[in-house]
Amino acid sequence: DGGITQSPKYLFRKEGQNVTLSCEQNLNHDAMYWYRQDPGQGLRLIYYSQIVNDFQKGDIAEGYSVSREKKESFPLTVTSAQKNPTAFYLCASSIGGTDYGYTFGSGTRLTVV
Amino acid sequence: AQSVSQHNHHVILSEAASLELGCNYSYGGTVNLFWYVQYPGQHLQLLLKYFSGDPLVKGIKGFEAEFIKSKFSFNLRKPSVQWSDTAEYFCAVIPPGGSYIPTFGRGTSLIVHP
Repeated sequence: DGGITQSPKYLFRKEGQNVTLSCEQNLNHDAMYWYRQDPGQGLRLIYYSQIVNDFQKGDIAEGYSVSREKKESFPLTVTSAQKNPTAFYLCASSIGGTDYGYTFGSGTRLTVV
Repeated sequence: AQSVSQHNHHVILSEAASLELGCNYSYGGTVNLFWYVQYPGQHLQLLLKYFSGDPLVKGIKGFEAEFIKSKFSFNLRKPSVQWSDTAEYFCAVIPPGGSYIPTFGRGTSLIVHP
């Protein structure tokens, strides 16, 4: 079945450590996105990529970094510069352009301990 | 700032009650509108979307939404809710400008009591 796989489901990080969240899709979608979901704040866009080897900052990119070396993969690194990293992170993909159909992954819950 | 507003943050209903969740946006021009649902422990999934044409849109699971351009609104409705409708509901808007990136509202948590 085609879809988006996010791993791990739960992740614990010590303060001061960088951590990378994985997002892989086999939908042949050009565009991929990372959102952060906090209670009462909805989904906020961190980074997006509409084509391989290119990505753009979203609304809350500070303290995060991404890469898009392959069409299928869009990993998100939460750096030690992110002041409040504990959150639920969602990856999504779409064909891109004028097709607005988003497919979401099941998310990664990151907790800083 | 331009935004998407969902005024009901928490809604509690009994089964068979009617549901209306509000969504307003502040963008001018042509927009594309969506409602997504996130059932407990599951992925976000698309309930319905509006691009153009009939402003009354039918979605999955008996949901519908009405686009009222003059009110900048896209409210979600269901005549009779079920316990299985318990979920978080998100309105999203793709504003004019060509980015095709939706802006999401803060979400409404719906609890339906059996």
